[in-house]
Amino acid sequence: AQSVAQPEDQVNVAEGNPLTVKCTYSVSGNPYLFWYVQYPNRGLQFLLKYITGDNLVKGSYGFEAEFNKSQTSFHLKKPSALVSDSALYFCAVRGAGSYQLTFGKGTKLSVIP
Amino acid sequence: SAVISQKPSRDICQRGTSLTIQCQVDSQVTMMFWYRQQPGQSLTLIATANQGSEATYESGFVIDKFPISRPNLTFSTLTVSNMSPEDSSIYLCSAGDNSGNTIYFGEGSWLTVV
Repeated sequence: AQSVAQPEDQVNVAEGNPLTVKCTYSVSGNPYLFWYVQYPNRGLQFLLKYITGDNLVKGSYGFEAEFNKSQTSFHLKKPSALVSDSALYFCAVRGAGSYQLTFGKGTKLSVIP
Repeated sequence: SAVISQKPSRDICQRGTSLTIQCQVDSQVTMMFWYRQQPGQSLTLIATANQGSEATYESGFVIDKFPISRPNLTFSTLTVSNMSPEDSSIYLCSAGDNSGNTIYFGEGSWLTVV
């Protein structure tokens, strides 16, 4: 079985400061890892993914994520937060033998002006 | 990237009625899925919509309650049958290519059952 943990329900950060949203996963075999963002009253938007290759993955809107196999983590980061980054962020994983995504519970990011 | 359109975007439904949600993808895709997001919760997979055959349902979801069709590689429907207030959720369609390397989502259909 595959699972995702997002240990923080909410993350608050001041505008201009770096932000990190944490994610750890459990899956059989090599992981396929994803981050999505959900703005209020909207669907999910794809941010970035890790399939293979470089552990640091760059995505949309200046976000990046670092894959750490030994710690089974895939934390989302951004060097300088914007107020417009305030949203709900979901980490998701699938195993190599499955196309079905398992999502974390989500982390609400609030960027304070 | 694939653009996924869902209809209706929102609806208020009477208890005991059924509603069909449509999902249209702007390109042919191998994989299509339906998810449910209950208020304040994460996403839960309902089923995989298989083209030309019966959908594959996850534990806790049954065909009688959530019948799904997928007549071709760009279109799928999800029906929420005999609705109760507990069915008030966002229902999201998603799609991906055969690699499954990127899964895209529609904007969701926000259902409120009264």
